[in-house]
Amino acid sequence: AQKVTQAQTEISVVEKEDVTLDCVYETRDTTYYLFWYKQPPSGELVFLIRRNSFDEQNEISGRYSWNFQKSTSSFNFTITASQVVDSAVYFCALSDTLGGKLIFGQGTELSVKP
Amino acid sequence: EAGVTQSPTHLIKTRGQQATLRCSPISGHTSVYWYQQALGLGLQFLLWYDEGEERNRGNFPPRFSGRQFPNYSSELNVNALELEDSALYLCASSLKGWLNGETQYFGPGTRLLVL
Repeated sequence: AQKVTQAQTEISVVEKEDVTLDCVYETRDTTYYLFWYKQPPSGELVFLIRRNSFDEQNEISGRYSWNFQKSTSSFNFTITASQVVDSAVYFCALSDTLGGKLIFGQGTELSVKP
Repeated sequence: EAGVTQSPTHLIKTRGQQATLRCSPISGHTSVYWYQQALGLGLQFLLWYDEGEERNRGNFPPRFSGRQFPNYSSELNVNALELEDSALYLCASSLKGWLNGETQYFGPGTRLLVL
């Protein structure tokens, strides 16, 4: 069965600290896609990144970086020099074998304090 | 470019009533997805529509139903509302749902409260 696990329920950091959000997934598919979304208090899910299973290159976008390792089935997300505006719930998701739906982890609530 | 829109923003109903939630996808997107985010239960997949057809359905009772219109907008209907249906209902759209892994872009959601 496909599954996404975000073991960290809540993380609290002080502004300017680096923080890593963990994501571990399970799938038997050879081709699959992984995603990260941000959900601020307003509720809307904001797309951050999409990665396919054949591309293990790490990606950096500003203060955000992602580390994809197939050997450990992990797709971790790091925020460098965190800011208060980064406070949100972050979700990792996996594409379903049958297509269409996303399988989400339980989310990690990040609180960045000034 | 306009994002995914949903209406209403908030909806208050009583047990046994019916609720109708609406979603307009990003222009050019043909697939629409519905998810339920109930407190403590995370994001659960409800329905997927593509080109007017229901393509996949999550583990929800038949009183959760919907449709997709020729302009690709979609409606989610929840009949015989129960207290546990209180949740944030999120709609998402993508370019072509049948291409596995298409990025889904989400709307702001409808908060349904059942009293």
